[in-house]
Formats: sequence, structure tokens, C-alpha cells
Amino acid sequence: KAGVTQTPRYLIKTRGQQVTLSCSPISGHRSVSWYQQTPGQGLQFLFEYFSETQRNKGNFPGRFSGRQFSNSRSEMNVSTLELGDSALYLCASSTTGDYGYTFGSGTRLTVV
Amino acid sequence: AQSVTQLGSHVSVSEGALVLLRCNYSSSVPPYLFWYVQYPNQGLQLLLKYTTGATLVKGINGFEAEFKKSETSFHLTKPSAHMSDAAEYFCAVLRSGAGSYQLTFGKGTKLSVIP
Repeated sequence: KAGVTQTPRYLIKTRGQQVTLSCSPISGHRSVSWYQQTPGQGLQFLFEYFSETQRNKGNFPGRFSGRQFSNSRSEMNVSTLELGDSALYLCASSTTGDYGYTFGSGTRLTVV
Repeated sequence: AQSVTQLGSHVSVSEGALVLLRCNYSSSVPPYLFWYVQYPNQGLQLLLKYTTGATLVKGINGFEAEFKKSETSFHLTKPSAHMSDAAEYFCAVLRSGAGSYQLTFGKGTKLSVIP
């Protein structure tokens, strides 16, 4: 059974650019969540999608957005990148969300 | 609001010694609790979870945790540390509301195993 797949694994962007990260959940999983991990702030919740609807959003600026497609694949987008957006972005999937999540290996974003 | 506190950002043990990583939570409702492990440059791997039922939960790689409601704790233990256990460990509580779910994580505990 394939796990959660995140692409790309590594990304280097320049301040002011925008970036799109992709996540393919485990087959049959309809809930997809995104987390940001930084040394200073730890793991912080970005948003959760279920059946193409955003159910919840964390405390992040509007530059951070996401969406989920009908096949449950999800993308997150960060516009007008700032140096502080450098982080490991983790995607996690679950059947419905209520029994925990399986995480992908993450996308390491570096903003220069 | 639900939150998680992990005591000790860094724990060192000798190979073969007991591993004890501490986690306390605050929750106004019965919590769902999780331990995840993260190896360098990797995502999070689920070690074990407590939802309902038996309070002693066994996970992968010989780890187990005990849910103690009276102490609001969910400490992670392993009887004998192995070099391959060196990693960062995260305790998390599942928050739910309005049909949505999210994990709230502790700050993490980095485990070093000394040969």
C-alpha cells in the first residue's frame, strides 16, 4: 500500500516568488492536512481538507492557501514568499481524520 | 483549549537502558493521544496511539505508552534502548470541532543513545 507522497522533496525559491507543493494521500483517504515545521515554532497546523472542502485553517496569513481535488490529492500554495517561510512542509492523510494521520516525508522549502 | 507539554527537549540514554519520554496534555474532553517519531530529513512516523479502551498501548519497535487520566500524562517508554532509536519524538493530541480534526504537537524530545 503506497504511503503519502509529497513532491518535490526539496525546493529553493527567491523572496517574493510563489510556490506550489503537492500531496498524494493514501488511497481511500479523504482527509488531508498540512503542517509547517520550523526549529523555532515546531509543528504548526496549516489547514485540513475533506472531500474538496477546507474544514479548518490554522493561524497563518492569507498568503498560505490550499485546495483538494476530487481524487483527494491536495496542493498548497504560498504566495509572495518571505525568508520566514523556509520550513519543512508536511502533508498527512487519514480516512476521516478522527483516528490520526499518516505523514509524508515532507517538502523542504528554502527561501533565499 | 487542548495542548501538549513534553518535558525535556533532549534526553540521553545508554544503549540497553530504559527510555522514558514524558508527555502531559490538557484537554477538556477525553483525548486521543499519539506519539510520532521523526528521523533526520524524514516525515513523522506513527509509533502508537490511544483512542479508547486499554490504557496501556503498545506500538512499533518495542515502544509503549500508558494513558493516565488522573495525571493527564501519556509517557512513552521502551525497556532497552537501541542505537536505531536515536531520533526526535513528538507527542500529540487530536483536536476536534465542527467536524474538523487537527493534531496539536508538543515541542519534541530529541533522544540520543550512547553506545
